[in-house]
Amino acid sequence: GQQVMQIPQYQHVQEGEDFTTYCNSSTTLSNIQWYKQRPGGHPVFLIQLVKSGEVKKQKRLTFQFGEAKKNSSLHITATQTTDVGTYFCAGQNYGQNFVFGPGTRLSVLP
Amino acid sequence: DTGVSQNPRHKITKRGQNVTFRCDPISEHNRLYWYRQTLGQGPEFLTYFQNEAQLEKSRLLSDRFSAERPKGSFSTLEIQRTEQGDSAMYLCASSPTGTRGDEQFFGPGTRLTVL
Repeated sequence: GQQVMQIPQYQHVQEGEDFTTYCNSSTTLSNIQWYKQRPGGHPVFLIQLVKSGEVKKQKRLTFQFGEAKKNSSLHITATQTTDVGTYFCAGQNYGQNFVFGPGTRLSVLP
Repeated sequence: DTGVSQNPRHKITKRGQNVTFRCDPISEHNRLYWYRQTLGQGPEFLTYFQNEAQLEKSRLLSDRFSAERPKGSFSTLEIQRTEQGDSAMYLCASSPTGTRGDEQFFGPGTRLTVL
């Protein structure tokens, strides 16, 4: 079955540094979503990517969908303490259920 | 609050007991998902409903698990003869249509502890 992997598992950064997490699927995806989960909270939707090579920006966050629609990345510029949490990608394969990656846990040191 | 709600928030039970969780999705959301999340892992898909129809169920899901959404509104997830390995956070999410991956709105979850 479809598998989704994310690297790194953990990332510790100093406030102001950049952060990137990578998501890779074993199969081609129809679309990919990104979620953020704060400690003790539930996943909150950030964005969805649908088109091959798509790039979307939300303030300091930049999301990319690979040309082959099998990988994606999330980049945060100049991290802030409010960025702390676990970032999950979730891939959907043409109408099937979503498969979540294991997440990248981000710590930001002030 | 018009978000997704789940009850109870916490459940402690003894091995072998049955438990039932309830999820109330956002009003008029057609699609409802159940996930299980363990510490340090992403949400693991269990099943989903389009209105009252259960369209997909994870192949990893034991026959001890059953879910219903009788009127296309709230949903229940029942676990029979609980095992210690069932201890996890059970998350419910809803989305408007589910077509091409609509945004999923997650509830706060029900944390199950099986002793």
